[in-house]
Amino acid sequence: AQKITQTQPGMFVQEKEAVTLDCTYDTSDPSYGLFWYKQPSSGEMIFLIYQGSYDQQNATEGRYSLNFQKARKSANLVISASQLGDSAMYFCAMREGRRNFNKFYFGSGTKLNVKP
Amino acid sequence: GAVVSQHPSRVICKSGTSVKIECRSLDFQATTMFWYRQFPKKSLMLMATSNEGSKATYEQGVEKDKFLINHASLTLSTLTVTSAHPEDSSFYICSASTSGLTTGELFFGEGSRLTVL
Repeated sequence: AQKITQTQPGMFVQEKEAVTLDCTYDTSDPSYGLFWYKQPSSGEMIFLIYQGSYDQQNATEGRYSLNFQKARKSANLVISASQLGDSAMYFCAMREGRRNFNKFYFGSGTKLNVKP
Repeated sequence: GAVVSQHPSRVICKSGTSVKIECRSLDFQATTMFWYRQFPKKSLMLMATSNEGSKATYEQGVEKDKFLINHASLTLSTLTVTSAHPEDSSFYICSASTSGLTTGELFFGEGSRLTVL
């Protein structure tokens, strides 16, 4: 089974509006971490936000927030007040437990286009 | 935040030659580094885990004799694509984890775009 699933290959959003990028995950490990990365056309991977499985509150970092629904195993990224510079590929990733602490699983990505 | 530097960013080589890509952690010691391969418009595929002072751990389906990984120091890992062929053309990204921190997030290099003619 896929560890990380991103069902939206492409998304469009109007500048200044909010957008939600979907991510669901699959793990039986009670301890895990969820990450979102942004990859602009230059190719570099930029860390956006992190959510730990035991965190009680949803993570927020500036315009980015993570809608963590543990029972549904979803970790959607919400970008508020979209900017043209937000146009990029976005990857959801998961790190499981202690044994494979350093092994990250990536989703297939969502290409976000912000329209002026 | 932690910085990982990758070099070269772009390389073009002839078929049959070998290419070395370097990955350096600039401001922290990385006992473990990771090498990913990314095809156009696709996700990152973990190729191998590079461990300082020991052999790399390769993912299933990745040829260890084709993709040689050396992690000679706590700040440097290298990936050598041996006898490169056009199908090896891809975007290769290294990363390192600061597992000592709470999040243990991955820090990525800038990536290396390999084109084999």
